[in-house]
Parts: sequence; C-alpha cells; structure tokens
Amino acid sequence: EDQVTQSPEALRLQEGESSSLNCSYTVSGLRGLFWYRQDPGKGPEFLFTLYSAGEEKEKERLKATLTKKESFLHITAPKPEDSATYLCAVRYSGNTGKLIFGQGTTLQVKP
Amino acid sequence: NAGVTQTPKFRVLKTGQSMTLLCAQDMNHEYMYWYRQDPGMGLRLIHYSVGEGTTAKGEVPDGYNVSRLKKQNFLLGLESAAPSQTSVYFCASSYRTSGAYEQYFGPGTRLTVT
Repeated sequence: EDQVTQSPEALRLQEGESSSLNCSYTVSGLRGLFWYRQDPGKGPEFLFTLYSAGEEKEKERLKATLTKKESFLHITAPKPEDSATYLCAVRYSGNTGKLIFGQGTTLQVKP
Repeated sequence: NAGVTQTPKFRVLKTGQSMTLLCAQDMNHEYMYWYRQDPGMGLRLIHYSVGEGTTAKGEVPDGYNVSRLKKQNFLLGLESAAPSQTSVYFCASSYRTSGAYEQYFGPGTRLTVT
C-alpha cells in the first residue's frame, strides 16, 4: 500500500538549534516528493520538489534531501518564524499529479 | 495575480442542507484538486480534474460532487451535508508540464455541519 509517514509528529527547538524532520515513503515508482509549509489557518505553501535519490534543494535555512526510502528536511539555526507544520507528499499516479500526504510535523521554535 | 482563491472562507450548515464551494485560479493550470484536512488524518483527496469538462474521484469522494465547466474554476458540492463533513477544505491547482506537478493551494474553507 502506498504510504507516507512523517516523524516526529511535533518538535520543539530553541532558536539556533538545528534539527531534521523525516518523511519515509512506500510507493511503487516515485515520481516526485514534495515539501510544503503550512501556517495555522492557511493553506499549504510549496517549498521543494525532489525527483531522484541523492537530490538536494535549499532555501534559506531549509535543506531537503532524498534517498530511495525517505526524505529529510534539515533546518539550520532555526528562527521563531520557522514555526509551522511541515508536510511531505509523494506523487503516486501517472499523469494526474495526484499526491499522498503525510500527516505533518509541527515545529515550534522558541526564542 | 491572486493565485488560488476559495469562496467562502467560513460556513456553518445544518444537517441535510446543501452548499457549493468555489475555487478559482488565475495561473492557467490544467489540473485542479479538492482536499479535506482533518486532525490526525492529514490532507485527503476528494475529487480532481485534469482539464475543463473532466472530473475524477479521489480517496474520499462519497457525499461530494464536483464540476469543472471553465478551466479556471472548480466547484465542490455537498448535496446533503452531514456532521462527518465538518472539516477544512482546500483547493489546489497544478500544471501538466512534464515533471512539474507541484500543487498550489488556496487559503481554505472551514465548514461546520451541526
């Protein structure tokens, strides 16, 4: 069964304390892995797309990496404004762009 | 360029009432999607459309209908609302170009069914 699992469910960090979020997946033929950020009361905001194992993408304090079984979102020296829920999704169907989402990791960064 | 917009932002319905949620996008995207988001369940696909005049069922389609009469609009209908349909509904859209399927989301509609 196609599945996406994110861990941990919640993460509390002090400002400047680097860490990583995990997204593990089981799909038959990965066609793309996506990271989104969601702030409370808002829609998910697109961050990155990764297509093949070994690929890396960076944006400010965020860096996403991909292996054959999982993806990591590394947060370097986070700031309070990085507090949000981070969602991982995988594309699992031919030409329709359908995604399976994980349940998300809620990150809180304290000053 | 407004991106993806949703109407209304909030709605309260009584059991058995009907309503339509409107999604509009100005990015000329071919694909559009409707999701619901519930605590502990993540985002689940209700229905989607790969082009004007076409729709298909997603993971949780029961109790919902959709229409895509114009490329920029995707409507989600609830014919007879049930308390189990209390949720936050998100619309999304994406291009159909090779490999670029990242979806762009609207701000959501919070629906409560009493």
